[in-house]
Amino acid sequence: QVTLKESGPVLVKPTETLTLTCTVSGFSLSNARMGVSWIRQPPGKAPEWLAHIFSTDQKAYHTSLQNRLTISKGTSESQVVLMMTNMDPVDTATYYCALTARGGYGPFDYWGQGTLVTVSS
Amino acid sequence: DIQMTQSPSTLSASVGDRVTITCRASQSISHWLAWFQQKPGEAPKLLIYQASILESGVSSRFSGTRSGTEFTLTISSLQPDDFATYYCQHYNSFPWTFGQGTKVEIK
Repeated sequence: QVTLKESGPVLVKPTETLTLTCTVSGFSLSNARMGVSWIRQPPGKAPEWLAHIFSTDQKAYHTSLQNRLTISKGTSESQVVLMMTNMDPVDTATYYCALTARGGYGPFDYWGQGTLVTVSS
Repeated sequence: DIQMTQSPSTLSASVGDRVTITCRASQSISHWLAWFQQKPGEAPKLLIYQASILESGVSSRFSGTRSGTEFTLTISSLQPDDFATYYCQHYNSFPWTFGQGTKVEIK
């Protein structure tokens, strides 16, 4: 059974850097079929894809946010980390990690439960 | 970036109704489109991928079609569990993008 779980701060201050960790169980991050994305969803709005990492460590980023985003594999072989710099109140959202097991590209077969991050001073 | 335009934004329907949601891509995405269902407080759930392939375990009352850059999700006979918000998402090329969503409400 594949499960994903997001962890990180629930509250960050404006200008701070957000660091979120996605812990994956039941599927190896070295599997060639694997790809993990971070997706966020502001309250009452549609999901917004942020970043993706392949088993090969190839990465892709949201066009207008790429200067603020870094996706990487964590020190643990089962973790994917997202860093987002210079946080602003408009970045308040539920942040999800999601996994595709179909060659690294979508669709997202598995999702974490999400973690709500609020940006406020 | 490829824009996904979804319509309608809200749909009021009754149990047993046939419901159709449309998603149009701003350029060709071939068949690289997925449909998700989301209920309040939950993560999106994959329903259909590659425009028309039903995800394992998903009810056969859901179906998807493609005509060029226009995609449709049809629910053949709406059930109480189907009242939710539906999103399309392309995965043709990066950056991937989602439609704005369609909320299916009880009439």
